[in-house]
Amino acid sequence: QLQLQESGPGLVKPSETLSLTCTVSGGSISGTTYYWDWIRQPPGKGLEWIGSIYYSGSTYYNPSLKSRVTISVDTSKNQFSLKLSSVTATDTAVYYCARHGDPYGDFDYWGQGTLVTVSS
Amino acid sequence: QSVLTQPPSLSAAPGQKVTISCSGSSSNIGNYYVSWYQHLPRTAPKLLIYENNKRPSGIPDRFSGSKSGTSATLGITGLQTGDEADYYCGTWDTSLTTWVFGGGTKLTVL
Repeated sequence: QLQLQESGPGLVKPSETLSLTCTVSGGSISGTTYYWDWIRQPPGKGLEWIGSIYYSGSTYYNPSLKSRVTISVDTSKNQFSLKLSSVTATDTAVYYCARHGDPYGDFDYWGQGTLVTVSS
Repeated sequence: QSVLTQPPSLSAAPGQKVTISCSGSSSNIGNYYVSWYQHLPRTAPKLLIYENNKRPSGIPDRFSGSKSGTSATLGITGLQTGDEADYYCGTWDTSLTTWVFGGGTKLTVL
């Protein structure tokens, strides 16, 4: 059974860079035709897709966040990562990693999520 | 405000049936598959329905999905207390070039 687990600091200061890692177990990131995603949910609000990385390394970002987001993959560790720069309080959210197959398809596996608070 | 519109909350008694609506537009639901997710507190969201009306392996047939035009519906029959959760619809939006989700519907089984 595929499992995804987010990790990273739970508190980030304003203007700094938020960094999270998603560790995938029960399956390999490399050599499989899947996209690996980051999705977030601010307190009391809906889900917001942040971006994806394809197993080949191609990246796709939400236009509203594109200037601040970098998603990368480390196939040797079976992990992919999120960096979000110049954070503000509006970036406070539960961050989820997930996977999808078809280019416009569904998210079939998700991590449990990790709360990141932006505060000084 | 979410691109897809869902009722914020619904409630029904055990054993009853409930439907959750998801309204969008031609740039999203009207031209792309809809998926539905169940989210219980402190757990990973779970895919319930994909490609409008298909159930992944392990999802009981009490859960069903449909789509008509720019709206989609999730149906749950034989409600159980374990179905208390937040439910989200999602799809691709070609105008925004991003995935979009509903704001979520909190289902209470009482």
